[in-house]
Amino acid sequence: EAQVTQNPRYLITVTGKKLTVTCSQNMNHEYMSWYRQDPGLGLRQIYYSMNVEVTDKGDVPEGYKVSRKEKRNFPLILESPSPNQTSLYFCASSLSYEQYFGPGTRLTVT
Amino acid sequence: AQSVTQLDSQVPVFEEAPVELRCNYSSSVSVYLFWYVQYPNQGLQLLLKYLSGSTLVKGINGFEAEFNKSQTSFHLRKPSVHISDTAEYFCAVTPSGGYNKLIFGAGTRLAVHP
Repeated sequence: EAQVTQNPRYLITVTGKKLTVTCSQNMNHEYMSWYRQDPGLGLRQIYYSMNVEVTDKGDVPEGYKVSRKEKRNFPLILESPSPNQTSLYFCASSLSYEQYFGPGTRLTVT
Repeated sequence: AQSVTQLDSQVPVFEEAPVELRCNYSSSVSVYLFWYVQYPNQGLQLLLKYLSGSTLVKGINGFEAEFNKSQTSFHLRKPSVHISDTAEYFCAVTPSGGYNKLIFGAGTRLAVHP
């Protein structure tokens, strides 16, 4: 089954404790992206990747890092999480204009 | 740059009534338009998309949308809603031509009451 998977689905952590949210797709898509969803703001792009070793900032990149060492994986790294990064995070992949979304990761930073 | 405005943050409606969720966009280049649905505690699912051609687009679950270039709108409609349509709906655009980010509206929460 074609899908985008994310882990973990739920995460509660404390300020400053580094964490990684994994994202994997099995559709051989070149383009991958991370979004955060906040009430009243919709989804906003954090980072995106056009292909292996090619990444770039989206609209809200501060406090996040990404890497793309393999085509199928695109992890999101929060080196020093803060409470304002409490949000619902979605990974997406696409071959062209149509993006496929993962199930989301709900992150709470206390 | 592009922007998307969803004109209603919440839309309450009774079961079997028609519904319209409004979406306006702004862009200096041509765009592709999308509607996504998010059911409670789930990810986003594509409802329908407009790329080119006929301005009336049909999607899944009986939804349709009409692209109006002069009014820069892409309103979503369903003639008769069900309880199961209760969800959050997002309008999104991307510049036409391929790879690019989606720019989302803030979302409209559709609540269908019995």
